[in-house]
Amino acid sequence: DTEVTQTPKHLVMGMTNKKSLKCEQHMGHRAMYWYKQKAKKPPELMFVYSYEKLSINESVPSRFSPECPNSSLLNLHLHALQPEDSALYLCASSQPYMAQYFGPGTRLLVL
Amino acid sequence: SQQGEEDPQALSIQEGENATMNCSYKTSINNLQWYRQNSGRGLVHLILIRSNEREKHSGRLRVTLDTSKKSSSLLITASRAADTASYFCATEPGAQKLVFGQGTRLTINP
Repeated sequence: DTEVTQTPKHLVMGMTNKKSLKCEQHMGHRAMYWYKQKAKKPPELMFVYSYEKLSINESVPSRFSPECPNSSLLNLHLHALQPEDSALYLCASSQPYMAQYFGPGTRLLVL
Repeated sequence: SQQGEEDPQALSIQEGENATMNCSYKTSINNLQWYRQNSGRGLVHLILIRSNEREKHSGRLRVTLDTSKKSSSLLITASRAADTASYFCATEPGAQKLVFGQGTRLTINP
């Protein structure tokens, strides 16, 4: 299984809502990532989990809260988002210093 | 901050022609990777070249790396309509931190 799955595919939420994005991989990868991508821009790294521990936080606002329940799962909890947080959120996984496998993304719209 | 700069930003060619994209970066790297992204979807890894390698091939793809000039190129030979996508270079300066270039939007005209 060489697939990274993400749910939901699309999400519309209000600024007062709480929602979660989910990511799953079964490739035995020990690193998992969250990226944010705005239209016609490259992906920007948000968080890195290595061996289920948060190793990189790229100064992401606290309204984004990552969680890694186990080596196969990665969540991104969303609370009190702003309209400018609307974007494609991509999850990826890899072995250290190897190619990253990306999921199809969750397209988020904040109203 | 984005480390990589790609050139050109957009490229439109006829099917069957070759496409070349260039990437420049600023700091030392462990490796450089190329990814493809079809419109608004997930990225697909194409090729990884390590800092001690100069050239790598995968099917119709050829990647070169010049660490002295801090630059890389991706050549796609005999292009097909299905190659239409955005192509990103990404450098890994260290610690699993992948930094993407601005990307090249490639259009293959039938």
